[in-house]
Amino acid sequence: GAGVSQSPSNKVTEKGKDVELRCDPISGHTALYWYRQSLGQGLEFLIYFQGNSAPDKSGLPSDRFSAERTGGSVSTLTIQRTQQEDSAVYLCASSLEAGMGNQPQHFGDGTRLSIL
Amino acid sequence: GQQVMQIPQYQHVQEGEDFTTYCNSSTTLSNIQWYKQRPGGHPVFLIQLVKSGEVKKQKRLTFQFGEAKKNSSLHITATQTTDVGTYFCAGTGDSNYQLIWGAGTKLIIKP
Repeated sequence: GAGVSQSPSNKVTEKGKDVELRCDPISGHTALYWYRQSLGQGLEFLIYFQGNSAPDKSGLPSDRFSAERTGGSVSTLTIQRTQQEDSAVYLCASSLEAGMGNQPQHFGDGTRLSIL
Repeated sequence: GQQVMQIPQYQHVQEGEDFTTYCNSSTTLSNIQWYKQRPGGHPVFLIQLVKSGEVKKQKRLTFQFGEAKKNSSLHITATQTTDVGTYFCAGTGDSNYQLIWGAGTKLIIKP
């Protein structure tokens, strides 16, 4: 079956531009997570969705970052006025459900974002 | 807030040697998961431990969850080149929905 799909796989943009990253989770997975991973580093939690709502946005680094999820499926992560420190791989993961002893998270291949 | 510390950050081994990574939490975890990330890849789920003192094996990999449910380890026997990558632990804490991730241990096979 299809896994978690992220697009674009790579994005190069100039500082100050807005970018939109997309995540299409595994069908039937109600929980969706966004993470950021800088080169050689661990995973930085950004935001989590249960259905269309985001109970925890505490990981978003600044108000330039926002995310939404519609129809309980596709999610977009938007970064406004990008800065060079935003350069990283943005990973999306989905799981069957959250808050039930935690299901395994299934990750997409990520979007590698480079800010010039 | 809750933290999961993972050590070592790197481990260089000769092929055929054993490898171990350790995770320690500041608070009790309800469960712990282990993931493997190959170079250039994304994390892939390996296993979940739930019970105090639980030990699970997957071929050459042995996973343990401490009696107090605050620590865990992954041990690989007789490493192979296919084992190369970064191993992450991730625990469920108070929130019950958010995984708290360790920083990962990178396994490097010496040439």
